[in-house]
Amino acid sequence: DAGVTQSPTHLIKTRGQQVTLRCSPKSGHDTVSWYQQALGQGPQFIFQYYEEEERQRGNFPDRFSGHQFPNYSSELNVNALLLGDSALYLCASSFGRMNTEAFFGQGTRLTVV
Amino acid sequence: GENVEQHPSTLSVQEGDSAVIKCTYSDSASNYFPWYKQELGKGPQLIIDIRSNVGEKKDQRIAVTLNKTAKHFSLHITETQPEDSAVYFCAASRAGGGADGLTFGKGTHLIIQP
Repeated sequence: DAGVTQSPTHLIKTRGQQVTLRCSPKSGHDTVSWYQQALGQGPQFIFQYYEEEERQRGNFPDRFSGHQFPNYSSELNVNALLLGDSALYLCASSFGRMNTEAFFGQGTRLTVV
Repeated sequence: GENVEQHPSTLSVQEGDSAVIKCTYSDSASNYFPWYKQELGKGPQLIIDIRSNVGEKKDQRIAVTLNKTAKHFSLHITETQPEDSAVYFCAASRAGGGADGLTFGKGTHLIIQP
């Protein structure tokens, strides 16, 4: 049973560019949440997608947007990249909009130069 | 919103000894408290969780306790082994739909000395 998979694993972008990160949830899960983890910090909630809609959003600007597809996979888009967007981006999947038993992928390491 | 404080930031113990990591939370509506283990270069791995209607939960060498009144919860690892070395995160949330995701502590770097 494949767990949560994310792509790519590493990415280097220039300030001002746009980036798209991808996530496939664990089999049987229908809810995808995205988190940003700065170096030496705990993950911070960006937003959650369920039934192809953004359901909840953390304290992140509109430059961060997302999408969920009918097969429950999800994308995270970040526009107008800033140096401070450099971080590990984590995708977590769960069932039924619940925060319980959320399983994380290995993350995408984004470096903005 | 929810705020989670975690202590200590670094914990070094001898192999075979016990390790305890403590967290406090601020939102009395939080009712789900997971613990994650993160190894270098990997995503967080769920190791144990507890809900607010339970005071203690055990899984082999790992246990979690919750004090709702004081708003704190702790992770206990007994008979520590080298493979327990990692960063551990506590988190708190409202379990049900509509919750604002998981709020994490800043992590504890657990070092198991041989």
